[in-house]
Amino acid sequence: EAGVAQSPRYKIIEKRQSVAFWCNPISGHATLYWYQQILGQGPKLLIQFQNNGVVDDSQLPKDRFSAERLKGVDSTLKIQPAKLEDSAVYLCASSLSPSGRYNEQFFGPGTRLTVL
Amino acid sequence: AQSVTQPDIHITVSEGASLELRCNYSYGATPYLFWYVQSPGQGLQLLLKYFSGDTLVQGIKGFEAEFKRSQSSFNLRKPSVHWSDAAEYFCAVGATNNNDMRFGAGTRLTVKP
Repeated sequence: EAGVAQSPRYKIIEKRQSVAFWCNPISGHATLYWYQQILGQGPKLLIQFQNNGVVDDSQLPKDRFSAERLKGVDSTLKIQPAKLEDSAVYLCASSLSPSGRYNEQFFGPGTRLTVL
Repeated sequence: AQSVTQPDIHITVSEGASLELRCNYSYGATPYLFWYVQSPGQGLQLLLKYFSGDTLVQGIKGFEAEFKRSQSSFNLRKPSVHWSDAAEYFCAVGATNNNDMRFGAGTRLTVKP
């Protein structure tokens, strides 16, 4: 079974530029998550999708971050404009479905963003 | 909301020695608990998880963890550490109602030859 795919693996941009990350979850997984992991910290949930709807985006800085999952499969996370403090690893995860019982999340390899 | 504390930022052990990584959680109901390992430049790999039942959980790579409700802890153990175990270890707690998961800050493990 293929795992969660993410691209690019690495990205270097200058502050105030825009950047986009892509994630393709495990086939059949209805729930998709984006996490931000700053160096020296644990991952922090940014946004959770159930199919193509947003379940939780309370920790997403909506003034500069946006995410979509239009067809309920793959997803894109965008930062516009980027700030120095956005330098982090952006992890995507997926799970079967949150309803009824707890579902294990499977993580992709992440995208390491450096903002100069 | 649930939260996790990993009191040790960095631990160094000798190869072949035993290991215990501490994890304390805060959650109002019975939690779902996880340990993940992250090697440099890699994603998160699940070592083990506790959902219910036996409080001693066996995982991959020879790791185990014990859920102690009275102490709100879920410490990770390994009887004999290998050099390849050097990595960052994260404890996480999941909420039972929405699949929300919160991570600790991590413990970095260094293994001395």
